[in-house]
Amino acid sequence: NAGVTQTPKFQVLKTGQSMTLQCAQDMNHEYMSWYRQDPGMGLRLIHYSVGAGITDQGEVPNGYNVSRSTTEDFPLRLLSAAPSQTSVYFCASSLRRTGNYEQYFGPGTRLTVT
Amino acid sequence: ILNVEQSPQSLHVQEGDSTNFTCSFPSSNFYALHWYRWETAKSPEALFVMTLNGDEKKKGRISATLNTKEGYSYLYIKGSQPEDSATYLCAIQKVTFGIGTKLQVIP
Repeated sequence: NAGVTQTPKFQVLKTGQSMTLQCAQDMNHEYMSWYRQDPGMGLRLIHYSVGAGITDQGEVPNGYNVSRSTTEDFPLRLLSAAPSQTSVYFCASSLRRTGNYEQYFGPGTRLTVT
Repeated sequence: ILNVEQSPQSLHVQEGDSTNFTCSFPSSNFYALHWYRWETAKSPEALFVMTLNGDEKKKGRISATLNTKEGYSYLYIKGSQPEDSATYLCAIQKVTFGIGTKLQVIP
């Protein structure tokens, strides 16, 4: 059981470039989500999904797209990278969306946009 | 956007001391609070999920209580050890996180 995996661990982009952060889980979890971590701020929700084919916006969705074609995978796409998107990105999963289920985090992707 | 506050922001204690910190949140429409332990260069790891007013949870030397009517939760660590050094996060409604309390246990 690998849990939640993320690739890459580190990435440097130039302004305007696009890229996809990968996230996968092997626990058959229904709920998956993406957060960003910035200094002095709590984790902020970008997008989430309650199942294959269903996604919704979180607190800070602008500049990011997601899709959920399978239960296992939940990639995050940066459409045109900006320096403000320099951050550490965490993917997380939970058996169900409801609040009483534990959330499991991936190891994170550190992204720098120059 | 819900506001989750954690205090103190950082804390240094001696090995063997007991300590506690606070997570405060709006009491209206509450349904769940999560505590996480986050070691440097790792990812947050779930400690407790709490849903009921008066809930108490315990895992080894770490315990937590929940007061949903007044909007706070306490996390307690008994007999702190250097390996307890980490940032402790709380989140309400699963997705709204506080900034965390950074604990450093001095040997």
